[in-house]
This record gives sequence, C-alpha cells and structure tokens, in this order.
Amino acid sequence: AQSVTQLGSHVSVSEGALVLLRCNYSSSVPPYLFWYVQYPNQGLQLLLKYTTGATLVKGINGFEAEFKKSETSFHLTKPSAHMSDAAEYFCAVSGMFGNEKLTFGTGTRLTIIP
Amino acid sequence: DAGITQSPRHKVTETGTPVTLRCHQTENHRYMYWYRQDPGHGLRLIHYSYGVKDTDKGEVSDGYSVSRSKTEDFLLTLESATSSQTSVYFCAISGGRSSYEQYFGPGTRLTVT
Repeated sequence: AQSVTQLGSHVSVSEGALVLLRCNYSSSVPPYLFWYVQYPNQGLQLLLKYTTGATLVKGINGFEAEFKKSETSFHLTKPSAHMSDAAEYFCAVSGMFGNEKLTFGTGTRLTIIP
Repeated sequence: DAGITQSPRHKVTETGTPVTLRCHQTENHRYMYWYRQDPGHGLRLIHYSYGVKDTDKGEVSDGYSVSRSKTEDFLLTLESATSSQTSVYFCAISGGRSSYEQYFGPGTRLTVT
C-alpha cells in the first residue's frame, strides 16, 4: 500500500524567493516518486521523477527534488520563483515491482506574489 | 507532447443518464488510466488497462465501467450518472514496466445536474 502527504494545500512565495513544496510518502516497496505540475484548465505535466540512483533529481523549469529515504520525503524546490511557476503541484508515488499505478497527493497550489 | 486526446472536453448531463468518455492515444502505449480530480482529493484512479481487453479497478471504481477494444482507445462509461460524479476526468498513458512515466490528456469536465 502506498500513500502521499503534501503539507500545505496553498503556498505563497514572493517572486525571486525560494520555493519549497513538501511531500512525504509511505510505501511498502522501494518507491518511484514523481512531481507533476498542472496549469489552469490543463492536464498534468511531469516535472521530475526519482527511480533509482542519484537522490537529487533535476527537472524542467529549474525545479529539483531530493529523495530522502530516512525521512520518507521527496520535497520539491526551486531557488528563485518566477511568476510563471504559479500552478498546482502534485506529488505521486508508485511501486517499482509490478505496480505501475500512481497514488497522488492532494496537491499544493503555489501562488507567486509580485 | 504525448498524443492523447479526450472527448468530449465538456459535458453537462442529467442524473440517471448514461455517459461515455473517450480517450484516444497515438503513442501505442500499453497502459491507459482513468482518473478523476476533485478539490481536496487530488487525482484518484478509477480504472486502468494493461492491454486490449485487459482492465482492472482502481480505488474509486464504483459506478464506472471501462472498455478497451483497441490499443489506442479507452472508454469510460457512467452507466447512470449521479451528481457525485461531477468532476474533471483525466486519461493517462504509460509505456509499462520499463517506463513509469504517465502522460496525461487535457481532461473532460463533466457536470451532472
């Protein structure tokens, strides 16, 4: 069984400030972890993923995330927020053995303050 | 962008009527999924398919059925729509065990009155 908890349904940051979106997961098997972004009235777009190997993964639009097994976390960061980063962000987990289904968190809406 | 289309994009229907949503892909991916998105719940899996005529239930499958007669098409049917099925429905595809990335369609906004 897998689950994802995203802390903070709404996060606001000033333009140019650090973006930190939190994700904690629970998984009975080694996890694959994902961050997706959803812009208004659009589908979800993959930002980045962790499968195996390097625990710091880089994605599109300057985002990165670090897999910390001891903390069961996969927080998303970006050093400097841009107005175009305003969107909803979803963390998701899947199992790496025979299970391609994704379990999503409830999402975090990111607002950028000019 | 992955070649995924959903139809219709918007639909308003009355309680008790049947509704079918279509997902069409041009990527020849093996796996297809139907999710619903609701505020405060994120995305929840309704049904998924791991091949032609091979489907299985997700976590919120009650009131929904699916069919996949061709690799490229995955249909979601609400046999008798209820107001609780008002939602945004997303289709996704993936390549399977060697590729865990899922690619999403643009969504269908369904309103049941």
